Amino acid sequence: DAKTTQPPSMDCAEGRAANLPCNHSTISGNEYVYWYRQIHSQGPQYIIHGLKNNETNEMASLIITEDRKSSTLILPHATLRDTAVYYCIVRSRNSNSGYALNFGKGTSLLVTP
Amino acid sequence: DVKVTQSSRYLVKRTGEKVFLECVQDMDHENMFWYRQDPGLGLRLIYFSYDVKMKEKGDIPEGYSVSREKKERFSLILESASTNQTSMYLCASSPHGEPQHFGDGTRLSIL
Repeated sequence: DAKTTQPPSMDCAEGRAANLPCNHSTISGNEYVYWYRQIHSQGPQYIIHGLKNNETNEMASLIITEDRKSSTLILPHATLRDTAVYYCIVRSRNSNSGYALNFGKGTSLLVTP
Repeated sequence: DVKVTQSSRYLVKRTGEKVFLECVQDMDHENMFWYRQDPGLGLRLIYFSYDVKMKEKGDIPEGYSVSREKKERFSLILESASTNQTSMYLCASSPHGEPQHFGDGTRLSIL
């Protein structure tokens, strides 16, 4: 699996957009970008994933650069409840068997009042 | 919504005990996973299963076994618990090729 690089921590003011970057310069053609987050004392929560097109759902938007070497997760209006560790994971999809997720250290996002 | 339920949020056991951690999912997912999470080490995969009675070793299977007799249930077994197995244990499930969904974890302490 491709390695990802994320800043260890970021701050964001409540109500503003939080833009979390991720570098994955060794990504291969069949690998997807997944984002999860983990709020303290809870299990990781799936947010969004994409291959090469930008994606949006009720939680966030995912912007993937044209060369696919980096991506940005956007929380459009951050709230205090968005304070969490955010993980960017690159993984191929394997329809024949299960696949493991390689969670790195992630970015600790602190949303402040 | 996907629901992955782990039987206990907190568990305290003694060294040498046989420990069972249970996980149930209600979405008919083929894949189920057991991870452990430790400070500074992130999440590490212990075992996973892609079908009933099927299992595959993850990165750190030593000291653990698993059981998947029914599709919805995946059990993690610590054959003889040791203090270095004190950790947060996370169960996840997914359909083939789709994102994994996690339970809230079991914080296990081995004394």
